Parts: sequence; structure tokens; C-alpha cells
Amino acid sequence: ETGVTQSPTHLIKTRGQQVTLRCSSQSGHNTVSWYQQALGQGPQFIFQYYREEENGRGNFPPRFSGLQFPNYSSELNVNALELDDSALYLCASSPPSGRDNEQFFGPGTRLTVL
Amino acid sequence: SQKIEQNSEALNIQEGKTATLTCNYTNYSPAYLQWYRQDPGRGPVFLLLIRENEKEKRKERLKVTFDTTLKQSLFHITASQPADSATYLCALDKSDTGRRALTFGSGTRLQVQP
Repeated sequence: ETGVTQSPTHLIKTRGQQVTLRCSSQSGHNTVSWYQQALGQGPQFIFQYYREEENGRGNFPPRFSGLQFPNYSSELNVNALELDDSALYLCASSPPSGRDNEQFFGPGTRLTVL
Repeated sequence: SQKIEQNSEALNIQEGKTATLTCNYTNYSPAYLQWYRQDPGRGPVFLLLIRENEKEKRKERLKVTFDTTLKQSLFHITASQPADSATYLCALDKSDTGRRALTFGSGTRLQVQP
């Protein structure tokens, strides 16, 4: 059990809507990363948060945004949903710097955009 | 552009045999290479990490090699069991910016037949 939790587990939205996904990181982890995984593909890095600030971003448009809270939990917001946004969204937390970059993934949120 | 390729989408082997999975990369100089296991509908689970100055790493029935000249990693599961059936992902991490963003391959689905 990794300790990373995500909610909701499944979500169905329609094109143009907005969605918020939530993640609670493992205890003691101050870095949270979000990944998008399309069916049959590996996870793709969206962005990372460290101490409540964005600490790097992948090749995703600005309509993908996030937050990290003082307790290190995090949110991923996606505006103006498109059909191609349908995917498994994974949150991963990491321990403080100086340790190996092992990431602990949550179970994911399956988003379907109709 | 940076590219990570994992051999064949699916690999079928008999129980007790050694499974060998390949990860090749181009236009990349990773500091680490990691292997994860992912079961259907679940988040990836960390298995092993190998650094650029390490040739081989072992953990129980798992062995990973890393050849930075060939730009290749091999992942071996010895004495394979049906419970080893899953998708295995390799991931690269530059870690020179302090940002722990992983770049994943698309995965190899391993099926171990009893």
C-alpha cells in the first residue's frame, strides 16, 4: 500500500466542462507530480509541485493547472475539456530531496470525456 | 527528439523461464533509470532504480542492467510466475534540474503461462 490516495476513482464529463481531481500524498512526501496515461501508453508528465509551487511542467496546455496545499495534498484542474483528455490521471508523491527519485503512485482517476 | 522504446507490446513466456524486457532510449542522458510494474486499473509500483554509473542491480528475482553506451536497459525476471503477469514500464530521469519528472516508455505487457 503506497499511501497515496486519489479522488474520485472515476469521472464522466462532457466536452467543454471543467474538472478537478484530488490527491493526498504519502506521509512525509513534499513533492507531488501529476501524469496523464492514455490507454496502452506510458504515463506522461503534466507538472510537479514542490512546497506549494509549480516546479516543472511537461508539454501540456495552460488549461491544465494545479495547486498544492500546505499539507502537501494537491489538485489537478482541467478547463475546457476535450475528448482527448479522456485518460487515467495519476498522482505520484516523492520524499524530500537527497533521496532516490522513487515515486509512489496513487491508483489514479479514470476520466471519460463525452 | 527524446525517445524511449520498450520491446514488443506483449511478451508471453512459460512459468519458470526468465523474462527479459528491453528499454532503449535516444537523445537522452539520464541520471537514473527506473522500472515500474503496473497492473490493470492501478497506478505503477516502483521496482528498481539503477544509476548511470551502475552496470547491474538485483532485487530478489529481478535484475536490471544499464548500458549508457548502448543506451539500453535490460530487465530480467528469473523463475517467472503467473503472478508476475503485468505491464512493466521503464522510466528515465535526468534529475539535473532538481525536478523529479520521469519520462516513461509505453510499457511491455508480460504474460506468464502456467
